[in-house]
Amino acid sequence: NAGVTQTPKFRVLKTGQSMTLLCAQDMNHEYMYWYRQDPGMGLRLIHYSVGEGTTAKGEVPDGYNVSRLKKQNFLLGLESAAPSQTSVYFCASTFRRGGETQYFGPGTRLLVL
Amino acid sequence: GQNIDQPTEMTATEGAIVQINCTYQTSGFNGLFWYQQHAGEAPTFLSYNVLDGLEEKGRFSSFLSRSKGYSYLLLKELQMKDSASYLCAVRNTGGFKTIFGAGTRLFVKA
Repeated sequence: NAGVTQTPKFRVLKTGQSMTLLCAQDMNHEYMYWYRQDPGMGLRLIHYSVGEGTTAKGEVPDGYNVSRLKKQNFLLGLESAAPSQTSVYFCASTFRRGGETQYFGPGTRLLVL
Repeated sequence: GQNIDQPTEMTATEGAIVQINCTYQTSGFNGLFWYQQHAGEAPTFLSYNVLDGLEEKGRFSSFLSRSKGYSYLLLKELQMKDSASYLCAVRNTGGFKTIFGAGTRLFVKA
């Protein structure tokens, strides 16, 4: 049982390049989330999904797209990376709403030059 | 609007007790979480409060007052490994979203 995994762990991009971050969970969780964490600002929700085939915008969705084609996977895409997207990205999942905690992946460190 | 406030940094001595406060203003409330995050690592779950009162779990306790929009995390018998950031987070009424505070960096000194 691997929990929540993220790929890649670290990436350097040039401005304008695109990339996809992959999140996978093997806990059969319905809800999945993408956050970014910047110094002094805490975790901010980018997009989330409440089930296979569904996605919704969070607090800071601009510049990102997501897809949830399979229940266990949640992809975060950057179509044209900008230096402002330099951050640590965390994926999280939870079984259902209510008292269930979110389980976080190890994070992806992204540097956009 | 939605806002969660917690102190930026705190320092405490090994073996002592420390209380980390959190105040929140959110459009809805469906529970408050505390997470621990060591530098360079992912947040890990510490506690969950949905009703007023104190929840105790080993060296860690968490308190909630919904009417005051206030919570605290109490850490007893501090150990060096407790040096980390502690994140206060509030889940909204719909249950889909969780709003995180900026975190409190705790330094435990010998």
